[in-house]
Order: sequence, then structure tokens, then C-alpha cells
Amino acid sequence: QQKVQQSPESLTVSEGAMASLNCTFSDGTSNNFRWYRQHSAKGLEVLVSIFSDGEKEEGRFTAHLNRANLHVSLHIREPQPSDSAVYLCAVNTGNYKYVFGAGTRLKVIA
Amino acid sequence: DAGVTQTPRHEVAEKGQTIILKCEPVSGHNDLFWYRQTKIQGLELLSYFRSKSLMEDGGAFKDRFKAEMLNSSFSTLKIQPTEPKDSAVYLCASSFAGSQNTLYFGAGTRLSVL
Repeated sequence: QQKVQQSPESLTVSEGAMASLNCTFSDGTSNNFRWYRQHSAKGLEVLVSIFSDGEKEEGRFTAHLNRANLHVSLHIREPQPSDSAVYLCAVNTGNYKYVFGAGTRLKVIA
Repeated sequence: DAGVTQTPRHEVAEKGQTIILKCEPVSGHNDLFWYRQTKIQGLELLSYFRSKSLMEDGGAFKDRFKAEMLNSSFSTLKIQPTEPKDSAVYLCASSFAGSQNTLYFGAGTRLSVL
């Protein structure tokens, strides 16, 4: 059964500094990974979807996937206070099913 | 385009009550999902519909949770009877069919059961 773990649990960065979030998974056969952001009292907003090893950039958000190392990361360039939210990693386990990580709470201070 | 709409945003219920949560998916999406989100368990899949047909009814959630999709643009999640442990955020999501298609989530309903 796919297990997804995120680190760190919480992260504080200064505005403009790079923020890096990590996600490890237990089964490397998946080829469908997503990063979502959840602002307080709001639903999940997809940031980046990545389906093969390497890098995928969407604006200030870049995902790196290395299935051999069972690792996918999210890097946020020039984070702003409005990026303060919980970031969730989602791993597709086949067809419609996803396993979500517990999330990283990011705080960006001005 | 309208996103996924969930109502109500907040619900407070007494133990033993019946509550109904509502969801309108993105127009044209074939797949609809109900998730429960808690701090301890994270996101758990409750139900999944494809083209209005129930494909998964959430195993452990079957006894008191019932999701229905009356038409392609409206779904409900009924919890009967409610228990305090049901306090959580209930999220509805929709997508086009296919695992590579993105799930779009509603803002959720925060349920508190007293």
C-alpha cells in the first residue's frame, strides 16, 4: 500500500527566499504526482502535476521527481506572504485513487 | 468558469441528527469524489462516481455515509446518524475522466457534531 510522507511538518521562510518542500513515497511504480496548496478554510488548489522523472515548472513553482529515490519535491521561488498555506503532496495509486501526504505548513514572513 | 461549489460552508449538528452536504461539480466533468479531511487522518476517500455511477463507496464509511449523484451536476453526501467523530472538513472534487486529469476541489464543508 502506497505511503506518502511529507517533510518538514512546518517551514518558515522570509519573503523572497526559496522554499523547498519534500515528499517521499513507498511505491515507485506510480507515474502521477501532484502538489496542492490549501489556504485556511479553503479547498485544495493544484500547483504542479508531474508524470515523469525530472523537473516541471509552473510559474514560481517547480516540482522535481526522482522515482528511483522515491522522492518528489516542490520548490517555491520568491515566496510571498500570500503563499502561506498548507502544501499537500498527492500520489496516484492507480486509476482514480490518490494517497495524500499530511502536508507541510508554510509561513512566509515579510 | 464556475469551480466546484459546496454548501453549506459550515454545519453544526447534534449527535444522532441527519445532515446532507451538497456539491456541484465543474460543468462537463465526469468524475466526482467525496473526501473527508481531519488533522489526524488527512484526506480519506469516501465515495467516487464516474458518469453518475457509484464506483467506490468508501469501505469503512459505508454504514452511516451515503453519497448520491442525482444528475451530472449535483451530488449529496448524507451522514445518518451523525457522531462526534464525524467532525471534519468534507471536500468534494471533480475531474474529467482519466488518472492524468487534475482533481478540482471545492472549498469544503466544515462539520461539527456536538
